[in-house]
Amino acid sequence: QKEVEQNSGPLSVPEGAIASLNCTYSDRGSQSFFWYRQYSGKSPELIMFIYSNGDKEDGRFTAQLNKASQYVSLLIRDSQPSDSATYLCAVLISGGYNKLIFGAGTRLAVHP
Amino acid sequence: SAVISQKPSRDICQRGTSLTIQCQVDSQVTMMFWYRQQPGQSLTLIATANQGSEATYESGFVIDKFPISRPNLTFSTLTVSNMSPEDSSIYLCSVDVVRSTDTQYFGPGTRLTVL
Repeated sequence: QKEVEQNSGPLSVPEGAIASLNCTYSDRGSQSFFWYRQYSGKSPELIMFIYSNGDKEDGRFTAQLNKASQYVSLLIRDSQPSDSATYLCAVLISGGYNKLIFGAGTRLAVHP
Repeated sequence: SAVISQKPSRDICQRGTSLTIQCQVDSQVTMMFWYRQQPGQSLTLIATANQGSEATYESGFVIDKFPISRPNLTFSTLTVSNMSPEDSSIYLCSVDVVRSTDTQYFGPGTRLTVL
């Protein structure tokens, strides 16, 4: 059974701080990794995807991937109250099935 | 990305009835996906729908309970049949717009309550 693990939180950070969200996965063959943000009552919204080891930056967001450790993370710099949401890590299962496995999500709360 | 719409946005249904959810995309896409998100849970893939072929169902989901149609490259339906309160969930469709990146974008979802 392919699995994606996330700490459910809540992760509480003060406004302006860096929020660090972590995700581990079991499928060693996975090559594609995604972070989605989901506000309460809304559908998931894609934030970033990453395929290569290392860091990928987009504005205040940085995704980090370490395939050897089967670990992917999302950093949010200068956190804002509007970043308060559940962040879902998703992993594309290897084998060409185009199947995403989602973690349970980490709830982030940014307080003023 | 793509503009994805779902109908209905929400519904309250009686036990034993069926509901068909529609998903419409503003561009042609090869793959469409149907997910379920139960209260307080993450997303679970129900099935993958490719145009011109039968849907592929995940373990725990069967065609008799969740029949899917995919008549063209911009539209799909999911039917939740013979509903019970356990089917109360948010049902989401997603599409793989840019095939080379395997990136999925989600519709707004259908919130289903079964009494």
